[in-house]
Amino acid sequence: EIVLTQSPGTLSLSPGERATLSCRASQSVSSSYLAWYQQKPGQAPRLLIYGASSRATGIPDRFSGSGSGTDFTLTISRLEPEDFAVYYCQQYGSSPVTFGQGTKLEIK
Amino acid sequence: EVQLVESGGGLVKPGGSLRLSCAASGFTFSSYSMNWVRQAPGKGLEWVSSISSSSSYIYYADSVKGRFTISRDNAKNSLYLQMNSLRAEDTAVYYCARDPSSSGWLYYFDYWGQGTLVTVSS
Repeated sequence: EIVLTQSPGTLSLSPGERATLSCRASQSVSSSYLAWYQQKPGQAPRLLIYGASSRATGIPDRFSGSGSGTDFTLTISRLEPEDFAVYYCQQYGSSPVTFGQGTKLEIK
Repeated sequence: EVQLVESGGGLVKPGGSLRLSCAASGFTFSSYSMNWVRQAPGKGLEWVSSISSSSSYIYYADSVKGRFTISRDNAKNSLYLQMNSLRAEDTAVYYCARDPSSSGWLYYFDYWGQGTLVTVSS
């Protein structure tokens, strides 16, 4: 089973700043089968990125994903107030699919 | 608009059973693989089970294998999760989630329901 480790656990930033979230895999994720989700309190997760770098339908272009192999990054170029949430990465290149433990992005 | 609405959660004693349902609308349900993903209170996400569009292929996480059964009724646009021999560690919000592919599997999740809470406690 591939273990995904997200860092930092909590990121404190201000609106307008740039956010960089990391997801590291215990072994290589085949074909960059890596997705990112956003979850706000009391809500279901929302798909942001799939295939490591492809934005899902309706996702603003301030969200971007990059990386390959074992190291992946989600970048939010300029934080909007609605971006403060918990972010999860998920690998789907190996069975079982697994999620990272999450990064909480909070307002500084 | 794609909608997934779960129901059937509640409080159950250890060793008990519960059946979750997920009603789908806004897309051709019979063409998509479907999944259950759970989230323990204050914790992260855990994949539970997947079923192909025609029910030909079914997969379970090791943590629920032998206790949970996933099924679907394409005529009713519904997904189910029968949960038996429940344990305290099964306490979680259970989400149904759609696989994005209408012709196979991609193994990530593009639409999620709002979730239903299952609490296992005596």
